[in-house]
Amino acid sequence: EVQLVESGGGLVQPGGSLRLSCAASRFTFRVYWMHWVRQAPGKGLVWVSRISSDGSITGYADSVKGRFTISRDNAKNTLYLQMNSLRAEDTAVYYCARDLNYYFESWGQGTLVTVSS
Amino acid sequence: QSVLTQPPSVSGAPGQRVTMSCTGSSSNIGAGYDVHWYQQLPGTAPKLLIYANNNRPSGVPDRFSGSKSGTSASLVITGLQAEDEADYYCQSYDSSLSAVFGGGTKLTVL
Repeated sequence: EVQLVESGGGLVQPGGSLRLSCAASRFTFRVYWMHWVRQAPGKGLVWVSRISSDGSITGYADSVKGRFTISRDNAKNTLYLQMNSLRAEDTAVYYCARDLNYYFESWGQGTLVTVSS
Repeated sequence: QSVLTQPPSVSGAPGQRVTMSCTGSSSNIGAGYDVHWYQQLPGTAPKLLIYANNNRPSGVPDRFSGSKSGTSASLVITGLQAEDEADYYCQSYDSSLSAVFGGGTKLTVL
């Protein structure tokens, strides 16, 4: 069974930075596009970013463009999300998800990011 | 404000049939992009429920079905069970190649 395990969340001050990781296992990570999706407390799901299987193509939601950077290390089977200039509205559970034909076929358990002073 | 519109809540008694809608526009669902549905049980990660409008992943009961027409889609649950109580989200893509979600529908089993 596909396994996705996020880590790196925590409490950070406004304007600060954080890097999330998503460790993938039990599937051939290097052939799949991957995404980050977030969910603010008590709110719905919001797509954040995507990356192609080889890392050459990336995309971002307007709300994070210029502040967040998605990347991956296929040798380590790991997906990353570098988050800079964090704002209170970035507070959310961040999920990594595996893409299969434009839908999110598998999800991690999520990691909570709290932006607060 | 979500790109796709879902009713905030629906409810039904055990054994009943419920339908929840997902309304988009000509730049997403109406542009031909497929609609997918996710179930999120309380305190857990979302789980794929329906993909490509009307397909169920292995392990999803056939009580769950989906359809798409024009700029909208629907999820139907028949033979409602207590364990179906959850939040349900629809998802598609838009012309900017961004994934878009509905705001979610909370299903209450009475």
